[in-house]
Amino acid sequence: QQQVKQSPQSLIVQKGGISIINCAYENTAFDYFPWYQQFPGKGPALLIAIRPDVSEKKEGRFTISFNKSAKQFSLHIMDSQPGDSATYFCAASMDSGYSTLTFGKGTMLLVSP
Amino acid sequence: DVKVTQSSRYLVKRTGEKVFLECVQDMDHENMFWYRQDPGLGLRLIYFSYDVKMKEKGDIPEGYSVSREKKERFSLILESASTNQTSMYLCASSPYRGRTDTQYFGPGTRLTVL
Repeated sequence: QQQVKQSPQSLIVQKGGISIINCAYENTAFDYFPWYQQFPGKGPALLIAIRPDVSEKKEGRFTISFNKSAKQFSLHIMDSQPGDSATYFCAASMDSGYSTLTFGKGTMLLVSP
Repeated sequence: DVKVTQSSRYLVKRTGEKVFLECVQDMDHENMFWYRQDPGLGLRLIYFSYDVKMKEKGDIPEGYSVSREKKERFSLILESASTNQTSMYLCASSPYRGRTDTQYFGPGTRLTVL
């Protein structure tokens, strides 16, 4: 079964610190790696995504780092804010096929004031 | 803005009841998905559909069925609800078949089976 392994399960970071969430995948056919953010009572929403032709993508305070040879990718949140407190899911997919996403199990991030 | 709506935010049913969860999207998306979300297990795909009347099993289809009679509407059916189906159910849609795009999620239905 295709898997995406996400760690840590939970994370507490002080305001202004860097939050780092890691994911590893097995299927080398994956070619799309999004991160979703979910606030309590809401559905997940796309935060940022990367394709394997680049090693890094940055959008504001959020950066994805991608290591194709290690089959790993990570989300870095710079200058973490209490408003970033949410659950984060990494995912992976293949462009060929049915466009389904395989999700990691999620990381609950708490940014303390 | 893409909008995915789910018929209920909270639902309480009894064991053995037939349960319908409805999802509607307003952006003419081809793909629609049903997930369940459980603490520590993440999002697990139940069923998805890439066209009207078409459906494909996801990772955990047992105990569920789906219906897509119109492009904008995708229903999840629990034929005989059981307590282990107590969960948060999330519907999502994405634009194009065969192409990976952003999935847009509804707010979820928290189902409790007593």
